[in-house]
Formats: sequence, C-alpha cells, structure tokens
Amino acid sequence: AQTVTQSQPEMSVQEAETVTLSCTYDTSENNYYLFWYKQPPSRQMILVIRQEAYKQQNATENRFSVNFQKAAKSFSLKISDSQLGDTAMYFCAFIYSGNTPLVFGKGTRLSVIA
Amino acid sequence: DVKVTQSSRYLVKRTGEKVFLECVQDMDHENMFWYRQDPGLGLRLIYFSYDVKMKEKGDIPEGYSVSREKKERFSLILESASTNQTSMYLCASSLRAGLAGGRYEQYFGPGTRLTVT
Repeated sequence: AQTVTQSQPEMSVQEAETVTLSCTYDTSENNYYLFWYKQPPSRQMILVIRQEAYKQQNATENRFSVNFQKAAKSFSLKISDSQLGDTAMYFCAFIYSGNTPLVFGKGTRLSVIA
Repeated sequence: DVKVTQSSRYLVKRTGEKVFLECVQDMDHENMFWYRQDPGLGLRLIYFSYDVKMKEKGDIPEGYSVSREKKERFSLILESASTNQTSMYLCASSLRAGLAGGRYEQYFGPGTRLTVT
C-alpha cells in the first residue's frame, strides 16, 4: 500500500524568507504523480504544484518549487519569498496511474510571520 | 473555471438524525470523492465513485453511504448521525484515468463543517 509521510506538523517562517516542507512516500510503482495542495484557514483546498515521476526536471510554479528525489522517495516543497497569504495547511499527495484515489499525508501547518 | 460546490458550509444536526451532504461539480468529471478532515489525522477517504451509480468504499466507510444518480452530483449520507461524525467533510472530483492525459489532480469543494450534538 502507498503511504505519504509529512514529518513536520507545524512550521513557521518570516515574511520574505524561504521555507522547505518535507514529504516522503512509499510505493512500489514506477509511474506516479505527486502533488502539493494548500488549504488556507477556512478556505478551499487548491492545487499548488504537480510532478510526474517520469520527469527528472523539478516542477516550478512562480515562488513554489519542488525537490523531487525519486530514488529517495522524497518530494519537498520550497516556498521562496514567503508571503502572509502563504499561511495555510499544506498537504502532500500521491497517485499512481489508474483509477485510484489520491493518498494524502497528514499535513504541515505553515505560519508566515510578519 | 473548475467548480465544485457543497450544499452547506456549516451544519448542525442532532444524534440519530439522517444527514445528507450534497456535492455538485460542473466540470463533467467522471470521478468524485468524499473525505473527512480531522486535526492531526489529515484527509481520510470515505467513499468514491468512478461513474454514475458506481461506488467504492474508502478507508472509513462505516456509518456512511453514498448515492450517485447523476454524473455531476455525489451525495454523502449519514444514516444515523453520531457525535463522532462531527468533522469537516470535503468533496472532490477528477477526470477519469485515460481521459486525463496524465492530469490526475483532484478539485475540491469548500467543505461542510458538520457538528452533531
């Protein structure tokens, strides 16, 4: 069975600084997809970034980038130039090809401090 | 723009009541999902559906049932609500594998915070 582990329940970062959120996963599949979702306080869960396992290049979306290490089964999220609006729960998620549900980690609560 | 809506943001029900949570998506997605979210436990899958009238149990189906009579609508039913079902309920949808072009991400509704007293 696939599992996703986020080892940091809570983190904080100063505004304008950089922070990295960790995620590891366990799977025997070779082709799969990884995601980071953001859930702001009392607001909707939205997709931040996605990574296909067959792509060696790390995905980037504006201030958000990932460090995907397939052999180590690691998928960390880096937020550069942190903003107050980045304060949220962040969930790492995994899916492999086929009609299977996403497997989520338990989340990391990030607070950006002014 | 992708849209998933849920019938209520906040709901208060009494123990033993039958509760319906409705979810509608306007993206013509085949897959729909119901999760509950609790502090420290993350998101746990209750039920999902890959097509109309089809359903699959997730990790915690006990005490819940679902209905999918139309492609765009997926209902979660608490047959006899209990206090341990007090939680945030999230609905999500996604394209079917094979049609998705590799885009398997789920789109979420705003959530329903259910309190059972």
